[in-house]
Amino acid sequence: EDQVTQSPEALRLQEGESSSLNCSYTVSGLRGLFWYRQDPGKGPEFLFTLYSAGEEKEKERLKATLTKKESFLHITAPKPEDSATYLCAVQASGFQKLVFGTGTRLLVSP
Amino acid sequence: DAGITQSPRHKVTETGTPVTLRCHQTENHRYMYWYRQDPGHGLRLIHYSYGVKDTDKGEVSDGYSVSRSKTEDFLLTLESATSSQTSVYFCAISEGTSGNINIQYFGAGTRLSVL
Repeated sequence: EDQVTQSPEALRLQEGESSSLNCSYTVSGLRGLFWYRQDPGKGPEFLFTLYSAGEEKEKERLKATLTKKESFLHITAPKPEDSATYLCAVQASGFQKLVFGTGTRLLVSP
Repeated sequence: DAGITQSPRHKVTETGTPVTLRCHQTENHRYMYWYRQDPGHGLRLIHYSYGVKDTDKGEVSDGYSVSRSKTEDFLLTLESATSSQTSVYFCAISEGTSGNINIQYFGAGTRLSVL
């Protein structure tokens, strides 16, 4: 069974304090790994897709990396507007469905 | 929200009543999905559609039915609502081209309370 585990459940940072969120996964043939951002009361917003181990993608203060067992979302010098829940999901080869983790709630204080 | 409209945005209903949630897209995407999101469970797939009148079950489909009579509309029906179906419901769409990665785009959600 495909599974996604995200850690920590919640993370509190000071503005400018860099850190990383973890997404560990088990999947029968990875087709893609996805990161989403979700603000309170809104739907998830797509951030990145990673396809293979060693791949990295960046967007503003966010950088996503991928290994064969986990992905990291690195947040460099975060700002309060980066506060959100970050969701990770995987797609197995041959399937259209995604399996989501439960997310990491990030709070960045000024 | 990527050309996705969910209605209603909020609904309060009573146990045993039927409820229909609507998802409308303007992107002409082939795939549409219904998820529910609950604390501690994350997003769980209820049903999905891979074309007009083509649907399949997800991991938490009991108590739910769906219909897709047009490419742009995907309806989720709770035939007889129960308190355990109190949740936030999200619709998602994806192009779903064969062999391509399945990037899903989400609507703003419907908050349903069953009293």
